[in-house]
Amino acid sequence: NAGVMQNPRHLVRRRGQEARLRCSPMKGHSHVYWYRQLPEEGLKFMVYLQKENIIDESGMPKERFSAEFPKEGPSILRIQQVVRGDSAAYFCASSPQGNGYTFGSGTRLTVV
Amino acid sequence: AQTVTQSQPEMSVQEAETVTLSCTYDTSESDYYLFWYKQPPSRQMILVIRQEAYKQQNATENRFSVNFQKAAKSFSLKISDSQLGDAAMYFCAYRSYGQNFVFGPGTRLSVLP
Repeated sequence: NAGVMQNPRHLVRRRGQEARLRCSPMKGHSHVYWYRQLPEEGLKFMVYLQKENIIDESGMPKERFSAEFPKEGPSILRIQQVVRGDSAAYFCASSPQGNGYTFGSGTRLTVV
Repeated sequence: AQTVTQSQPEMSVQEAETVTLSCTYDTSESDYYLFWYKQPPSRQMILVIRQEAYKQQNATENRFSVNFQKAAKSFSLKISDSQLGDAAMYFCAYRSYGQNFVFGPGTRLSVLP
């Protein structure tokens, strides 16, 4: 079992570009959560998805951010028109039924 | 809304000594989980220890143990016989059943040889 796979590990984008972060949950896990970690801070919840459904997006910024978890393939966190304040580490976690979380190693996004 | 507070931004401990990291939280729920996660420079979030709120017995995992005081909403982590590999950021986290994590701001632990 490869664990929760996130890629890329590092991503550099210029201001105004789009960033796409991918998360492949552990085998058998149908729940995916995205968290953001700003420098020197703890992780903050962004969005909770199950296959083809957004369950809770209360932590997502209202603009430029979107997330999906299609029937086939990884979950994608998409940030449009990135700004310097989007620079952070983005973590994905998965679980089989809302418990027993496993975190990925995160994607560090740097906006230049 | 639930909140988690870690009042010690940085701590240091001598190798082989014992250190305690503090955590307090606020919730109106009676059933929940508490966690300590370790984040080394590799950025990986590593689960150190977990406590179910309904259990009175404090959780232990080898050199790691907690002091869970439910009435005081306190959940401290004790690391015994500290090792150089224990140096990392430590995050206290709260989660009620089926909900997302709420993390504290973290404590940076240094281990001095």
